[in-house]
Amino acid sequence: GQQLNQSPQSMFIQEGEDVSMNCTSSSIFNTWLWYKQDPGEGPVLLIALYKAGELTSNGRLTAQFGITRKDSFLNISASIPSDVGIYFCAGLMNRDDKIIFGKGTRLHILP
Amino acid sequence: KAGVTQTPRYLIKTRGQQVTLSCSPISGHRSVSWYQQTPGQGLQFLFEYFSETQRNKGNFPGRFSGRQFSNSRSEMNVSTLELGDSALYLCASSPTPPGSSGNTIYFGEGSWLTVV
Repeated sequence: GQQLNQSPQSMFIQEGEDVSMNCTSSSIFNTWLWYKQDPGEGPVLLIALYKAGELTSNGRLTAQFGITRKDSFLNISASIPSDVGIYFCAGLMNRDDKIIFGKGTRLHILP
Repeated sequence: KAGVTQTPRYLIKTRGQQVTLSCSPISGHRSVSWYQQTPGQGLQFLFEYFSETQRNKGNFPGRFSGRQFSNSRSEMNVSTLELGDSALYLCASSPTPPGSSGNTIYFGEGSWLTVV
């Protein structure tokens, strides 16, 4: 079945560093969504991408919809302590109405 | 605009019991989906409803069921609870039917179920 490969699984960075994570698949998606989940809370939508090649920013966050429609990237610039959490990508497939989630990237910020 | 509301927020049940979780979508949203989240398995899709009809179903046993009402509110039920059903159950709503282009889903805070 379809699956999303999200990497890295976890990251340990210093405050102020930039962060990059991505999701790839062998399947084509028509929408990519990026979420952040804090402990004990539901995922919160960060960025939604609807067109191949689209680059969208939300504050220090930037995400891109890959040209092949099989991948997406999320970048966080100048990380701060509140960026800690789990970041999920999700792909929506128009063909069979499915949404598929990556397994998440856990971001840790070292003191 | 209120977000997706889930109740109860936390609950503890014993093996063999059944549980019903409730979800109120964002006003105007007619599509509701349910997910199970565990540390080992990540987010697992349970089912999705649009206009009171189940449109998609994940790979869960028949003990897991759901329904959607005419006001778009949804409930999910788990019967004969097992220890492995302990998880965060997330509800999400979206304004358009499943598979629509430009669709986006919004999550509630979840219901934490512990089975002892």
